[in-house]
Amino acid sequence: QKEVEQNSGPLSVPEGAIASLNCTYSDRGSQSFFWYRQYSGKSPELIMSIYSNGDKEDGRFTAQLNKASQYVSLLIRDSQPSDSATYLCAVNKGAAGNKLTFGGGTRVLVKP
Amino acid sequence: GAVVSQHPSWVICKSGTSVKIECRSLDFQATTMFWYRQFPKQSLMLMATSNEGSKATYEQGVEKDKFLINHASLTLSTLTVTSAHPEDSSFYICSAKEDPLYTGELFFGEGSRLTVL
Repeated sequence: QKEVEQNSGPLSVPEGAIASLNCTYSDRGSQSFFWYRQYSGKSPELIMSIYSNGDKEDGRFTAQLNKASQYVSLLIRDSQPSDSATYLCAVNKGAAGNKLTFGGGTRVLVKP
Repeated sequence: GAVVSQHPSWVICKSGTSVKIECRSLDFQATTMFWYRQFPKQSLMLMATSNEGSKATYEQGVEKDKFLINHASLTLSTLTVTSAHPEDSSFYICSAKEDPLYTGELFFGEGSRLTVL
């Protein structure tokens, strides 16, 4: 079992729709969770961070964390073609400062 | 946000030569930096954790004699790929955490694409 799992996609959504991305992790002691966006040939950029159960909203993005189910998700509302990218889920297993473990990424395609 | 700069952005070298990649935190100090490698259509794989003033910690399966890491100052870490071979061709990305106000976020450099002929 991979430490951080994501559906590789591609997830195809029409412009203006909601894109829903899922991520599961294996280490129940994980403490910090991040979503990164990576355009082809570029390095990742941070979209959202979430540390406690529940929802966290930032603009068109909402991260959801359920530690009991070891599940973190990302919703992208009003999807735009510029949102087309690979979204990486990352988990910090230890205290702040420890290394991140990345999922395989979900490729999102937003079609006009 | 904090800025991490990598250099060079891309490099082409002949098999058997060594290549050095620099990672700098431009507006913050970073006691710890991380080096990742990403092959096409794959996710980021952590290679090693670079610690200022001490030896790097390498992940399982990463050859420390081949991938030399030096973290000589609080703003600079270097990765040297020694005796590079075509299978070392990859996208190398560094990241850093900010001292002392670390929020859990890592800041990534732009990445360095290495092609070994």
